Amino acid sequence: GENVEQHPSTLSVQEGDSAVIKCTYSDSASNYFPWYKQELGKRPQLIIDIRSNVGEKKDQRIAVTLNKTAKHFSLHITETQPEDSAVYFCAASKGPNFGNEKLTFGTGTRLTIIP
Amino acid sequence: DARVTQTPRHKVTEMGQEVTMRCQPILGHNTVFWYRQTMMQGLELLAYFRNRAPLDDSGMPKDRFSAEMPDATLATLKIQPSEPRDSAVYFCASGLGRGDSYEQYFGPGTRLTVT
Repeated sequence: GENVEQHPSTLSVQEGDSAVIKCTYSDSASNYFPWYKQELGKRPQLIIDIRSNVGEKKDQRIAVTLNKTAKHFSLHITETQPEDSAVYFCAASKGPNFGNEKLTFGTGTRLTIIP
Repeated sequence: DARVTQTPRHKVTEMGQEVTMRCQPILGHNTVFWYRQTMMQGLELLAYFRNRAPLDDSGMPKDRFSAEMPDATLATLKIQPSEPRDSAVYFCASGLGRGDSYEQYFGPGTRLTVT
């Protein structure tokens, strides 16, 4: 089955600096790569995603890049703010084809923004 | 703003008792997922339904866990008998599950403590 590795497990950056979180996946058939943000005690919230037919996607201060050949994808947060402090999870799936939608998650990155 | 709902939000029970967790997926979504989150194991898939039919429950301990969808607006996860190692946050997620829609949206979770 799919295996997703995520690094680093913890990350501290100064407010205003950029943060980068990296994930690798094992199954070359995976074609959907979402990122979730989870604040303490809250639900994981989808913040951005990318599909295998796209190399990069941006949404304001966040961006995701995908390298299908190397089977890795990354989350980039620019101009970090205190409210960016949370745990971030990457995931992969082969969805939405029948039976392939289940997500395999990375182990999470605890991001702390230092004021 | 449609959201996945879960009840109860918190449950404390004694070992050996039956626990039932409920999930209402977003109206119109036809895929439902149950995930368990622990510090040690992270986010792991327990069960997955499409159009109320179970597609994958390979992550679920079969001897004590069961998952069902009595109708399109209700998914249940039962543990009988419960054990202390079942203590975790259980999340339900739903997705549109068709066409070009890949996203999964999480409910607020049920925090289960088994003593």
